[in-house]
Amino acid sequence: QSALTQPRSVSGSPGQSVTISCTGTSSDVGGYNFVSWFQQHPGKAPKLMIYDVSKRPSGVPDRFSGSKSGNTASLTISGLQAEDEADYYCCSYAGSYTYVFGSGTKVNVL
Amino acid sequence: QLQLQESGPGLVKPSETLSLTCTVSGVSISNSNYYWAWIRQPPGKGLEWIGSIYYSGSAYYNSSLKSRVTISVDTSKGQFSLKLTSVSAADTAVYFCARRDWGHWFHPWGQGTLVTVSS
Repeated sequence: QSALTQPRSVSGSPGQSVTISCTGTSSDVGGYNFVSWFQQHPGKAPKLMIYDVSKRPSGVPDRFSGSKSGNTASLTISGLQAEDEADYYCCSYAGSYTYVFGSGTKVNVL
Repeated sequence: QLQLQESGPGLVKPSETLSLTCTVSGVSISNSNYYWAWIRQPPGKGLEWIGSIYYSGSAYYNSSLKSRVTISVDTSKGQFSLKLTSVSAADTAVYFCARRDWGHWFHPWGQGTLVTVSS
């Protein structure tokens, strides 16, 4: 179970959009529509932002959206705000009740 | 409101066994919709799924840790536990417990507990 590949960092100015990619294999991301995304601020527990590729939990702003194409999932943050500066992790079901996380992406708000 | 709280020693010696407990409140740990998971994060690094358990005791582990990990559940106490044997400095991490919701996502998470492996 190798970690899913994410860019180390992405940056954007307030109001802009940023997209984070999460690349796996046909055994995880590509094989199931069970990708989730988490936001983590320093010293805090991860917070669920997206589940089942593109669904938002109650309370998550609609600025956050998810998608998937083949073995790559993506998280887009539209209308970037200062409080969106955090680390973001993807997670995919990998079959047989196992899971794999992404390597993590730091979102910088310029 | 569902809450999860990790507890256990913050310092473990190399080659010894790391033991942590997660106490679940606000929902029955025996709810058939949920699994319960351990996830860890070394300082400055990413998240790693360790394993998950169902209230019946069926457990599933990360293949890279499988030989050293045991996750168990005590439904009478509303707790599930993690044991990791033969620890080394590489096992130093913040350990989180979380609910694997009725689908395939983890929510909510406990606040996490830092475990340092050092003599």
